[in-house]
Amino acid sequence: DTAVSQTPKYLVTQMGNDKSIKCEQNLGHDTMYWYKQDSKKFLKIMFSYNNKELIINETVPNRFSPKSPDKAHLNLHINSLELGDSAVYFCASSPHLNTEAFFGQGTRLTVV
Amino acid sequence: GENVEQHPSTLSVQEGDSAVIKCTYSDSASNYFPWYKQELGKGPQLIIDIRSNVGEKKDQRIAVTLNKTAKHFSLHITETQPEDSAVYFCAAPGGSQGNLIFGKGTKLSVKP
Repeated sequence: DTAVSQTPKYLVTQMGNDKSIKCEQNLGHDTMYWYKQDSKKFLKIMFSYNNKELIINETVPNRFSPKSPDKAHLNLHINSLELGDSAVYFCASSPHLNTEAFFGQGTRLTVV
Repeated sequence: GENVEQHPSTLSVQEGDSAVIKCTYSDSASNYFPWYKQELGKGPQLIIDIRSNVGEKKDQRIAVTLNKTAKHFSLHITETQPEDSAVYFCAAPGGSQGNLIFGKGTKLSVKP
């Protein structure tokens, strides 16, 4: 029944590794997002994906790449992980751009 | 682009008291203002929202007020309960990626 689901919930990995986080929404929404929440709880947008168009936050390193096989899925791939990538990553979806967002439970990534 | 400021960053109240969290926004074209509640270990959850054609909206113990002239909106929680303890975020549309811009959050603690 979960509207926005992401896996895994926890991810511990070594520096330099490549990892992926999966996200699926069953709400029929047109738009999906990835947000990063740092230790101070600040929510920072990373990517938006709307009707097959990817909108990238230019401050996000190109080691991060979203991939959307279809409208219901937006996965996040991270290459060459760094210590500073440790954070909680949230997937979200909206009916359209600039409307209410529904969040997944988050993935706590720890890079050691 | 839109800028959202939220105050206070922390708020402690006694059970049964009221709590008020305030946000200001910069883009006068913004027309949608949601509030999110984030409990420990969970994703932000939409609890109430307001559109710019109304000045107030209530849902049981929660209300949101909007002052378009002053460009600020507030969350009011009456008869607070310990389960209201969480981090609350305000938001407004207008991110360069069609995303919501979030305030920095208010950690509300309700003491029994």
